[in-house]
Amino acid sequence: EDQVTQSPEALRLQEGESSSLNCSYTVSGLRGLFWYRQDPGKGPEFLFTLYSAGEEKEKERLKATLTKKESFLHITAPKPEDSATYLCAVQAMGSTLGRLYFGRGTQLTVWP
Amino acid sequence: DVKVTQSSRYLVKRTGEKVFLECVQDMDHENMFWYRQDPGLGLRLIYFSYDVKMKEKGDIPEGYSVSREKKERFSLILESASTNQTSMYLCASSRRPGQGASEAFFGQGTRLTVV
Repeated sequence: EDQVTQSPEALRLQEGESSSLNCSYTVSGLRGLFWYRQDPGKGPEFLFTLYSAGEEKEKERLKATLTKKESFLHITAPKPEDSATYLCAVQAMGSTLGRLYFGRGTQLTVWP
Repeated sequence: DVKVTQSSRYLVKRTGEKVFLECVQDMDHENMFWYRQDPGLGLRLIYFSYDVKMKEKGDIPEGYSVSREKKERFSLILESASTNQTSMYLCASSRRPGQGASEAFFGQGTRLTVV
């Protein structure tokens, strides 16, 4: 069964303190791995798609990387506005319909 | 930009009522999804649809049904609402994957409270 595990469940950082969030996955052939940001009371907002090991994507203070078993979301010099829950999802090559499997997320709090 | 619109942000319904949650997308996506999200449980897939009138059960379909009569619209129906269906409901849409992956785009969510 395809599975996605995110760690840590919660992370508190001081403004400017860089860190990484982890997403481990087991899937029978990866079609794509996705990162989302979710603010309280809102729907998830799409950030990145990663397709193959070694790939990296960047957006402002966020950089996502991918290996054959996990992905990292690196946050460099975070600001309080980066506080949110970050979700990871995978799509399997064998899924012709395109179902996504989500992790439970990491709740990030950045304090001034 | 992709837009997925859910008909209500907040709903309060009584136990036993039939409840309709509506979702519309404007990107001609083949796939549409309904999830519920509860603290500590993450996103759980209720149903998804890969074409008009076509549907597949997700992980927690009990107590729910869906309808997709038009490509852009996907409805979630709670046949007889119960208090354990109090939750945040999220609709999403995506292309059917071809050569590459297909990311899903989400609506703003409907916070449903059943009293």
